Amino acid sequence: AQSVSQHNHHVILSEAASLELGCNYSYGGTVNLFWYVQYPGQHLQLLLKYFSGDPLVKGIKGFEAEFIKSKFSFNLRKPSVQWSDTAEYFCAVISFSGGYNKLIFGAGTRLAVHP
Amino acid sequence: NAGVTQTPKFRILKIGQSMTLQCAQDMNHNYMYWYRQDPGMGLKLIYYSVGAGITDKGEVPNGYNVSRSTTEDFPLRLELAAPSQTSVYFCASSPGGTAYGYTFGSGTRLTVV
Repeated sequence: AQSVSQHNHHVILSEAASLELGCNYSYGGTVNLFWYVQYPGQHLQLLLKYFSGDPLVKGIKGFEAEFIKSKFSFNLRKPSVQWSDTAEYFCAVISFSGGYNKLIFGAGTRLAVHP
Repeated sequence: NAGVTQTPKFRILKIGQSMTLQCAQDMNHNYMYWYRQDPGMGLKLIYYSVGAGITDKGEVPNGYNVSRSTTEDFPLRLELAAPSQTSVYFCASSPGGTAYGYTFGSGTRLTVV
């Protein structure tokens, strides 16, 4: 079955620092990948998604992610974080089984940005 | 506002009690999902539905039941609440297919004591 690993459970950064959150998936075929963000006390919101084409995907709020097929990775990046980026970030992959697609999530990375 | 609506937002249950978590969407989405979120574990899929009358188990279905009598509603039933079911529950919907992300509700925080 398809699975997702996020390596960093907690990340602490200062404002203006650069961010990279790791995500690896298990399946070697065609993949559909997502990054979601959950701000404190809120529900999940879509940051960006990759289906095909340009492996560098631009999302909202200055985030981007790069799909590297040879490394089974889909890391999330942001050149300069802000205090408002404090949130939990989830990588997710579409899993096909039983004829239907389902979104499978990683364990999440909790990001704290200090002023 | 269009989207996914979950009720209640908070609930405390005693062990052995039952309850239904409500989820409704007004986007005419065929696919609906229930996830539970536990600290450090991400979101685990409990049940999903691909249309009215069609449901199937996800990763962690034990202790839960669902029904989908209409396109709009996808309630989650806990029959005999246990402390292990203390969690935050999210409902989500999608038009179907792989080209779409999911729209999530605001969640239900459930505590079983």
